[in-house]
Amino acid sequence: QVQLVESGGGVVQPGRSLRLSCTVSGFTFSSHGMNWVRQAPGKGLEWVALIWYHGREDKYAESVKGRFTISRDNTKNTLYLQMDSLRVEDTAVYYCTRINGYTDDLWGQGTLVTVSS
Amino acid sequence: QSALTQPRSVSGSPGQSVTISCTGTSSNVGGYDYVSWYQQHPGKAPKLIIYDVTKRPSGVPDRFSGSKSGNTASLTISGLQAEDEADYYCFSYNGAYTDVGFGGGTRLAVL
Repeated sequence: QVQLVESGGGVVQPGRSLRLSCTVSGFTFSSHGMNWVRQAPGKGLEWVALIWYHGREDKYAESVKGRFTISRDNTKNTLYLQMDSLRVEDTAVYYCTRINGYTDDLWGQGTLVTVSS
Repeated sequence: QSALTQPRSVSGSPGQSVTISCTGTSSNVGGYDYVSWYQQHPGKAPKLIIYDVTKRPSGVPDRFSGSKSGNTASLTISGLQAEDEADYYCFSYNGAYTDVGFGGGTRLAVL
């Protein structure tokens, strides 16, 4: 069964770090680029970061550049998002998505990150 | 502020048709045939319902259709059903896959 399962969310204080994971199954992980997309409470979707299938190239939204790092381990079928220097405005549900062509065709169920003192 | 502009809300009665617009520029919607649409029910993850402007993933009813004219893409839902009540987001590739833009989302109410 094709699925993406995020984990690692929780409550964290501003300025602290958190690492999210996304474990995939049911497809060849190493053949697909992957995204992290987030959604603040009551708000729309915001793209966060992208990593190519080989893991050697990545891109970030301006709002997280320099603070977040996307990575992947193709031997473990796992995508990561290291989030440092967290801010209150980073509070959101974080989704990992599979890129297929020019679309995100599969989404995980999301993991909630709450940044609060 | 989203790169793509959608109406905040639309509504229709069961059995009717509704169309949701997504307006961008020649750098995104108008420049590529890579517009996607996502459906999101409350508390759930988004689900892909249209990609490459007009294509439907398997399992998506043919009541959902996509089109594009110039810098505006559209999602049409015909034969509205109660379960179509959800938020809908458009997305367009912009040639560089950087700061990729989702629309602000449209809430569909089935009255």
